[in-house]
Amino acid sequence: GAGVSQSPRYKVAKRGQDVALRCDPISGHVSLFWYQQALGQGPEFLTYFQNEAQLDKSGLPSDRFFAERPEGSVSTLKIQRTQQEDSAVYLCASSLDGEGSNQPQHFGDGTRLSIL
Amino acid sequence: DQQVKQNSPSLSVQEGRISILNCDYTNSMFDYFLWYKKYPAEGPTFLISISSIKDKNEDGRFTVFLNKSAKHLSLHIVPSQPGDSAVYFCAARTGYQKVTFGTGTKLQVIP
Repeated sequence: GAGVSQSPRYKVAKRGQDVALRCDPISGHVSLFWYQQALGQGPEFLTYFQNEAQLDKSGLPSDRFFAERPEGSVSTLKIQRTQQEDSAVYLCASSLDGEGSNQPQHFGDGTRLSIL
Repeated sequence: DQQVKQNSPSLSVQEGRISILNCDYTNSMFDYFLWYKKYPAEGPTFLISISSIKDKNEDGRFTVFLNKSAKHLSLHIVPSQPGDSAVYFCAARTGYQKVTFGTGTKLQVIP
């Protein structure tokens, strides 16, 4: 497809379960970002990849959150031992170039995660 | 610490009139500013941006103004159309591409 694709669109999990969220960026895009958006808030930065390298993970809220992009394209955000406060929309974005570029980020439609 | 602030959670404007959305920031290191538009159940869509070395950027009906001394930017939409009804996020960036978003302003354009 032409845009950033995220799956699943909706995920319901019980507290304590592990979840994995997938992001397919736009083909050829170097940079990939994950954001967390709580209800009524703006997206908040979680982590950034340039190709397969995770250059910034300063926004990950705890060591239960883990992201990878092993081949520099598809990325997975994994949350272990989920808690209710993890309930949010998780957005993935990609951009064409890397550091210092003025290329805008293109967002997927997000995965809405609900922890019961 | 909210580095990008959108103090108006909502705005209603008559079709054909001007919509002005405001944004304030606190981090003087921000060097690039963006506006995103978001419809329900969709991801944000890039609208327009401005570099910190400029004070105005225009793209069709959309114009962004930057006042660095006041740490303030605004988005003007003229004329406003019903399809412009959405949530608008102001965002700012420093260095590579880590973007800090505001909390959004919900714009309603009334036909």
